[in-house]
Amino acid sequence: KNQVEQSPQSLIILEGKNCTLQCNYTVSPFSNLRWYKQDTGRGPVSLTIMTFSENTKSNGRYTATLDADTKQSSLHITASQLSDSASYICVVSLASGGSYIPTFGRGTSLIVHP
Amino acid sequence: AAGVIQSPRHLIKEKRETATLKCYPIPRHDTVYWYQQGPGQDPQFLISFYEKMQSDKGSIPDRFSAQQFSDYHSELNMSSLELGDSALYFCASSSLAVGGGTDTQYFGPGTRLTVL
Repeated sequence: KNQVEQSPQSLIILEGKNCTLQCNYTVSPFSNLRWYKQDTGRGPVSLTIMTFSENTKSNGRYTATLDADTKQSSLHITASQLSDSASYICVVSLASGGSYIPTFGRGTSLIVHP
Repeated sequence: AAGVIQSPRHLIKEKRETATLKCYPIPRHDTVYWYQQGPGQDPQFLISFYEKMQSDKGSIPDRFSAQQFSDYHSELNMSSLELGDSALYFCASSSLAVGGGTDTQYFGPGTRLTVL
């Protein structure tokens, strides 16, 4: 069964600190992995997307890494800001029959305190 | 553990027909979100409900409507279907109370709607 596991489930950090969120998956065959930021009650905002051949991708203070051999990804947030408080969702897709089938992780809830 | 249930899993309709998608959240979850994901696209937030009241609205067309019932299940009603409505429709549920203060969303398996 294709699964996406994220850790930790929740995280509280102080403003200005760095943090790293983890995503492990068993989805196969792997096509791409996306990290989303989602505020409560709002739609998800795409942060990064990586394919099999990519190891790292940055988007401002967000840096995602991917190890396709161990099926692990991480999202590193540098110099956190209060506005980073949100859920961060890892979505791994496989290609099947001409379409992408996404499997959603349950997300990590990040709270940044002043 | 119980997960979010969506029905049907697959649906084929013709243009101008109507469709109703159902979502059954995890027990004790009070918030339901609906998303639409077209081929090769990011999920688009449609609408959300908290305690049977609409809490936020995204890019939901006027042809679509949704509601959350007393048992917390939700239905997405789609009328005058167009070819562009063909997509995966995901439902997610959450509960701040059950989640210990975190708003973790649990996604259902999705309903694949094909409009011919």
